[in-house]
Formats: sequence, structure tokens, C-alpha cells
Amino acid sequence: DAGVTQSPTHLIKTRGQQVTLRCSPKSGHDTVSWYQQALGQGPQFIFQYYEEEERQRGNFPDRFSGHQFPNYSSELNVNALLLGDSALYLCASSLGQGTDTQYFGPGTRLTVL
Amino acid sequence: QQPVQSPQAVILREGEDAVINCSSSKALYSVHWYRQKHGEAPVFLMILLKGGEQKGHDKISASFNEKKQQSSLYLTASQLSYSGTYFCGTDLSGAGSYQLTFGKGTKLSVIP
Repeated sequence: DAGVTQSPTHLIKTRGQQVTLRCSPKSGHDTVSWYQQALGQGPQFIFQYYEEEERQRGNFPDRFSGHQFPNYSSELNVNALLLGDSALYLCASSLGQGTDTQYFGPGTRLTVL
Repeated sequence: QQPVQSPQAVILREGEDAVINCSSSKALYSVHWYRQKHGEAPVFLMILLKGGEQKGHDKISASFNEKKQQSSLYLTASQLSYSGTYFCGTDLSGAGSYQLTFGKGTKLSVIP
């Protein structure tokens, strides 16, 4: 049973650039949530996708956007990168609506120089 | 509103017990507990729904006090594998809410 997968593992970008991170949910799951985890902090909710729509959004600017595909995989896009966007980006998958058990992927470590 | 976890860090010897607390200033619908080892993804431990139930598996259990808006994670007879940072994620709204708000974590170190 395949778990949550994310790509790439690491990424280095410069300020002002744009980045796309990818996530494939656990087999059988249809909901994907994205989190940002700064060093030494807990994960912070960015948004959640279900049925290809953004269902809820955390306190993140419009530079952060996402997409969910018919096969339930998802992308996180960040435009106009800032130094403060450097973090571990985690994808979590779950089944159905609400805050049912969320299973996290290994994350993408983004470094903005 | 971010939940408050205590203690921030704890060091145990193998076989000792520990309690990690998670408190919220707002009414909780559910609490989710995760453990994260350095450089790895958070691993789901358990979820508790409002109703004051206690859950557990192996030597790790948790309780949820709805009146106090608090959850506690109990680790008994700790093993080296229990080392990591423990996070509680809280859901404030229940049905229709899709957002987990995590605390800053409790770093647990188990030494031989």
C-alpha cells in the first residue's frame, strides 16, 4: 500500500522565483492538505483540496496557490518567493471531508536564497 | 488559535514514563497526536473526538478533557524509539472544518 509521496525532496530557489511542489495521496484517499513547517515549529495549514476545489485556506497570501487533479494528486505553487518561504512543505492525505486522520508525506525542503 | 504544549522538552531514561499536555483557549472538537523524528514526516499516533474518551495502543495512550479543553498524551515504559517531537493538532469546529492547528511541539529524548 503506497503511502503519501512528494516531489522533489529538496529544492533551492532564489528570491522572486516561482516553485511547484507535487503530492500523490495515499491509495484510496481523495483529500489533500498542504502545510508549511518552519524549523522548530509545528506544521501550519496552508489549504485543503477536495474534488479538485480548494475547500479551506489558512492564513497565507495569494502567492500560495494549488491545484488538485482528477486522480487526487495535488500541486502547491508559490510565486514571488521570499526568504521567509524557506521551510519544509508537507502534504497530508485523508479520506472525505472534515479533519479525519491525515497521513503526512516526507515533505519537500525548500530553500530560498 | 495555536494550542499550547507542555513541557517544551523532556529527557527520559528507558523505562520511565512521560506526560505531554496540549491546551486550547477555545472549545475543541478533536485532537490529533503525531510524532516526528528529525528529518522525517510526522507519523499519526491517534485521534480523540470530544466526549472525554481515552485511547491507546501499546504503551502510548491519550485522554481528552472537553471541559478543560485539554488533551494529554501518556507514554509508559518509554523506549528509545519513542524519541522525537510530539505535536498535537486541534480541530476547533468539527464538521465543516478542514483545518488542523498544531502546537509548537514537545521534544522527547529517551536515553539508555
